[in-house]
Amino acid sequence: EVQLVESGGGLVQPGGSLRLSCAASGFTFSSYSMNWVRQAPGKGLEWVSYISSSSSIIYYADSVKGRFTISRDNAKNSLYLQMNSLRDEDTAVYYCARDWQPVHHFDYWGQGTLVTVSS
Amino acid sequence: DIQMTQSPSTLSASVGDRVTITCRASQSISSWLAWYQQKPGKAPKVLIYKASSLESGVPSRFSGSGSGTEFTLTISSLQPDDFATYYCQQYNTYSRTFGQGTNVESK
Repeated sequence: EVQLVESGGGLVQPGGSLRLSCAASGFTFSSYSMNWVRQAPGKGLEWVSYISSSSSIIYYADSVKGRFTISRDNAKNSLYLQMNSLRDEDTAVYYCARDWQPVHHFDYWGQGTLVTVSS
Repeated sequence: DIQMTQSPSTLSASVGDRVTITCRASQSISSWLAWYQQKPGKAPKVLIYKASSLESGVPSRFSGSGSGTEFTLTISSLQPDDFATYYCQQYNTYSRTFGQGTNVESK
């Protein structure tokens, strides 16, 4: 059974940093590209970042470019999102999501982890 | 970036109704479009991909159509479990974008 489990969320002050993790199981993690998607409270879905299976291709939404860094460790079956210079508007539930095929729809999602940026 | 516009934002319907949601892309995305269903406090779930392909395990009352810039999601006979928010998503580029969502509520 495919499972994606996010962790690392919490309360952080504006300007602070946080590192999210997504632990994958039930599939060959190194064969799939992965994404982070977020959802602010009561709002819609916003794609945040993409990383290819080998980490050779990485993309970011304009709203996080230069502040967030996506990475992965295929030996540990894990996906990460390093978030720096956090702003109030980064408050959201962050989901990791698997690409069915590279640059395709998301066939599996984690349960999400809440990040709250507030003083 | 490609912008996705869904309509309506809210749809009031009754069990048994035929429901149609529209999604428009700001430029052609061929058939690279997916539809997701999300219930409160839960992760989204894919219903349709490549504009009209039904995800395994999804009831056949859900269908998708369209190509280029105009797409629709249709629920042929709304069931109690279908009251939820629906999102379209383009994957024509690495930078995926979602529509703003359509909340299907009980009339």
